[in-house]
Amino acid sequence: SQQGEEDPQALSIQEGENATMNCSYKTSINNLQWYRQNSGRGLVHLILIRSNEREKHSGRLRVTLDTSKKSSSLLITASRAADTASYFCATDRTGGFKTIFGAGTRLFVKA
Amino acid sequence: EAGVAQSPRYKIIEKRQSVAFWCNPISGHATLYWYQQILGQGPKLLIQFQNNGVVDDSQLPKDRFSAERLKGVDSTLKIQPAKLEDSAVYLCASSTISGGKNTGELFFGEGSRLTVL
Repeated sequence: SQQGEEDPQALSIQEGENATMNCSYKTSINNLQWYRQNSGRGLVHLILIRSNEREKHSGRLRVTLDTSKKSSSLLITASRAADTASYFCATDRTGGFKTIFGAGTRLFVKA
Repeated sequence: EAGVAQSPRYKIIEKRQSVAFWCNPISGHATLYWYQQILGQGPKLLIQFQNNGVVDDSQLPKDRFSAERLKGVDSTLKIQPAKLEDSAVYLCASSTISGGKNTGELFFGEGSRLTVL
């Protein structure tokens, strides 16, 4: 079963705009991660945020985590056409060992 | 540093035939994962190894799927006999352990795309 659920399922924006994707999960977690997948390729790790962290930045990426609401958001600022991809959140549950992925958000950035 | 290697990249078979996928993780990575990704969905964990032991295989359809990780290095995932619904991309990933725990970041291969006709 999926632990994380991303919202929206699909997002289309213009180059230069910001893109925000949300992830909700069901159980307590050790950490939450975001991955990118270009069409026909494997997943690439973007950023990991631990359960005791609230916000993290990496380049044009900003991730927030609200454990009380069991939700996270990924913000991509000043988007580029090359950011077109599917984005997945993944969680490592407290006391568990496996990384569970959501269904993903498909982002399309128009040049 | 070499990434996770998978082969074959593409495979087309008839239903009821068998198929095997191979994965070589990043050198030194103790944990190896096989995920199944159906078109339009997120990856679903099939099996997780730590060294050559199975950590989780709760979602592996054991009547037709099998996996092994000999000597705690590379791994093979086999499907026999294949069904139409097995059409998917099979992703292998690996990760390191620090302080007895997985570090969190998974490194993925490019995947093996299976089409069952």
